[in-house]
Amino acid sequence: DAGITQSPRHKVTETGTPVTLRCHQTENHRYMYWYRQDPGHGLRLIHYSYGVKDTDKGEVSDGYSVSRSKTEDFLLTLESATSSQTSVYFCAISDFDGSSGNTIYFGEGSWLTVV
Amino acid sequence: TQLLEQSPQFLSIQEGENLTVYCNSSSVFSSLQWYRQEPGEGPVLLVTVVTGGEVKKLKRLTFQFGDARKDSSLHITAAQPGDTGLYLCAGARTGRRALTFGSGTRLQVQP
Repeated sequence: DAGITQSPRHKVTETGTPVTLRCHQTENHRYMYWYRQDPGHGLRLIHYSYGVKDTDKGEVSDGYSVSRSKTEDFLLTLESATSSQTSVYFCAISDFDGSSGNTIYFGEGSWLTVV
Repeated sequence: TQLLEQSPQFLSIQEGENLTVYCNSSSVFSSLQWYRQEPGEGPVLLVTVVTGGEVKKLKRLTFQFGDARKDSSLHITAAQPGDTGLYLCAGARTGRRALTFGSGTRLQVQP
């Protein structure tokens, strides 16, 4: 298994509060991604990083921000959580960017419920 | 609308039956991948197809990439309960740094 750890694995939070999810890797992979998974939508890209301090938006980035100050850590922050952000969040890592078709490895997911 | 459309969304079959899952798009992909996801876990790569018309076999699973590299199919022969899970296709496009995922096909194989 790829060395990817997501924390917390489960969280319940109130509307309007900030939430930070952490992804930690031990593989030294350059690319890191945050996806959300909702029924009927598959996996949708929120943000990704192609190096320390290098990040870019995905297709569903509104309401989310990210930071990558070290190769091994990629943080996802919900600035003011809303019920529509209730979802399962997956971190993924890869040696190469998505255009190469190389394998990406997923973490086990973080279940977030916003009440 | 999804860039990659998967069909069917849900499939419930008996052990021993055959099935095919489709992944379609109007866009061309440089490669296409299939992942399988079990409850409570992240997706795991099954196969990558790169060349138009390519066919790959993984035991009872057969993957095909369309000639025009816009679509793909996954065929399972003699399905087993262990095949139960969510199957996701994902496409790579030149110049894009991240994969695009389909909406998924949830397969249940009854013993």
